Amino acid sequence: NAGVMQNPRHLVRRRGQEARLRCSPMKGHSHVYWYRQLPEEGLKFMVYLQKENIIDESGMPKERFSAEFPKEGPSILRIQQVVRGDSAAYFCASSDGNTGELFFGEGSRLTVL
Amino acid sequence: DAKTTQPPSMDCAEGRAANLPCNHSTISGNEYVYWYRQIHSQGPQYIIHGLKNNETNEMASLIITEDRKSSTLILPHATLRDTAVYYCIVRVVNQAGTALIFGKGTTLSVSS
Repeated sequence: NAGVMQNPRHLVRRRGQEARLRCSPMKGHSHVYWYRQLPEEGLKFMVYLQKENIIDESGMPKERFSAEFPKEGPSILRIQQVVRGDSAAYFCASSDGNTGELFFGEGSRLTVL
Repeated sequence: DAKTTQPPSMDCAEGRAANLPCNHSTISGNEYVYWYRQIHSQGPQYIIHGLKNNETNEMASLIITEDRKSSTLILPHATLRDTAVYYCIVRVVNQAGTALIFGKGTTLSVSS
């Protein structure tokens, strides 16, 4: 049973470009969470999604950031018009919604030049 | 705001027990205590969780005080690979719309 898969593992973008990060949850999991970790800082919650629904986006920046978890396919975290401050590790986690245990992927590291 | 308080750092000798404390004085009756750790730059890893009773698994033991206002994570025989940031989190299970909120955690350094 594969764990949470994130890709790409590393992404380099120039200022103003778009970044798309993908997350495939563990098999049987329908709850996905995105976190951001800036260099030398802790994990910050961004958004919590269930299939086709955003449950909690209280941690998402108001502009340029969006997330989706379609009925088919991976969850996508999209960052438009990236700026240098978006450089960070973005972690995805999934759960079955019952046990409360979250399983994390290895993260996608975004570097904005 | 994080609902837990942890020391920022701790040291432990290899082979000794590492006891990591956590204060959660405002914990509610239906909130569980979770422990995760993050080894350098990797994704966080679940360790253990509990409600009232002490818990043990292959990784660690969790001791929760009777009043549930604090807990201790015990790594019985710390190894160098246990060097990581350890997060204590309180959370209601089975409540839709709740995510894990990480605080600053405790940086555990295990040395030989």
